[in-house]
Amino acid sequence: DTEVTQTPKHLVMGMTNKKSLKCEQHMGHRAMYWYKQKAKKPPELMFVYSYEKLSINESVPSRFSPECPNSSLLNLHLHALQPEDSALYLCASSTPPRTSGETYTDTQYFGPGTRLTVL
Amino acid sequence: SQQGEEDPQALSIQEGENATMNCSYKTSINNLQWYRQNSGRGLVHLILIRSNEREKHSGRLRVTLDTSKKSSSLLITASRAADTASYFCAPHTGGFKTIFGAGTRLFVKA
Repeated sequence: DTEVTQTPKHLVMGMTNKKSLKCEQHMGHRAMYWYKQKAKKPPELMFVYSYEKLSINESVPSRFSPECPNSSLLNLHLHALQPEDSALYLCASSTPPRTSGETYTDTQYFGPGTRLTVL
Repeated sequence: SQQGEEDPQALSIQEGENATMNCSYKTSINNLQWYRQNSGRGLVHLILIRSNEREKHSGRLRVTLDTSKKSSSLLITASRAADTASYFCAPHTGGFKTIFGAGTRLFVKA
């Protein structure tokens, strides 16, 4: 199974709502990623989890809260978002480096994304 | 990791023609990856070329890497309408961070 699944496919929410995006993979990958992509722009890295621990936070506003409850699941909790947060949110997974100093970079497998609209 | 810069920004060709897109980067890398993204969808990994490799093939794709010029090219031969997508390069120095360049938007006319 080389698939990364994301739910929901589309989400419309108001600025006062709380919602969550979900990502799942069963490839045994221990690194999982959240990206944000605005229209006609490249994906921008938000968070990276490695072995269920937050490894990278690219100075993302606290209204985005990631969670990695186990090695197969990655969530992104959303609260008090702004209209400018409307975007395609992509999840990805890969094999992480085996040691902190390793320069190995593995292929990332991406999910189809969640199209988020904030009203 | 560092950002790659793709060139051209957009490319429009007829079905059956070859498409070439280029990527330049600034510092030494240990590998460079190419990804494809169909409109509004997730990215699909196409090919990874390591710094000690000069050329790699995968089906209709041919990737070259010139580390002395800090550049890579992706050639798609005998293009099809289904190749219409955005193509991103991702030069890697290691670790988790992937910084995608602006990409090349390829349009293949049937």
